[in-house]
Amino acid sequence: GAGVSQSPRYKVAKRGQDVALRCDPISGHVSLFWYQQALGQGPEFLTYFQNEAQLDKSGLPSDRFFAERPEGSVSTLKIQRTQQEDSAVYLCASSMDRGQETQYFGPGTRLLVL
Amino acid sequence: AQSVTQLDSQVPVFEEAPVELRCNYSSSVSVYLFWYVQYPNQGLQLLLKYLSGSTLVKGINGFEAEFNKSQTSFHLRKPSVHISDTAEYFCAVRSNTGGFKTIFGAGTRLFVKA
Repeated sequence: GAGVSQSPRYKVAKRGQDVALRCDPISGHVSLFWYQQALGQGPEFLTYFQNEAQLDKSGLPSDRFFAERPEGSVSTLKIQRTQQEDSAVYLCASSMDRGQETQYFGPGTRLLVL
Repeated sequence: AQSVTQLDSQVPVFEEAPVELRCNYSSSVSVYLFWYVQYPNQGLQLLLKYLSGSTLVKGINGFEAEFNKSQTSFHLRKPSVHISDTAEYFCAVRSNTGGFKTIFGAGTRLFVKA
C-alpha cells in the first residue's frame, strides 16, 4: 500500500518568502507528526495532530511556523518569512492509533533558504 | 523531559563482523524505546521497539537490542553485518505516560566495508 508522501521533495526559497509543505499520511492513520531534521542531527519534534486536533505544538520554533490538518488527513506545515536557519529536512510521520507506537515516516522535504 | 545520547557518531566495520551501536537515555518517567534506520534518500524506518516485557527485543534485518533499565541503555546489536546495512541509525525515546513527543538521538552512521 501507499506510504506517507510529502511534497515538494525539494524547495529553495529566498529569505523572507513564505513556504508550504504538504504531507499525505497513510489512509486511516489517526496520528500525524512533523519533525525538523538539521544536517547531521536527529529529527526534532515540531507538532502532533490527532485527527484534526493539534494536541501538541510545543516544538514549533517560532510563531512563523504554523501547521494544520483541517479534515484529519492531509497536513500542511507553513513557514512564514523564512530565515536561513529554517534550512533543514522536514519530516512527516503518521501512526495508526492514538498509542502512536509505530510511526511511518515520509521521505521528507528538503528546504534550503538562501 | 527526556534526552538521548548516541555515543558514536560513526562506526566503521567490516562485512560479516558483529556490531554494537550504543544508546543511552535520560528520563524522569518510564519510557518506550525505539531504533530507526535511515537509508540514503529514504525515510526513517522502524527497526525495533521496546514497550514492555522482555528486555531483549528482536527487530527486522537481524537486529536486536537490549533494554537495561539500571544503566538506562538500549544498545543495538547485529552478529554479522552486510554491506546493505550501511545507513544512519537513530535511537529514540518517548514517555509511556501519555506524551506525544518522541526524542531522537543525533544518529550513528554505520559504514560496512567489504
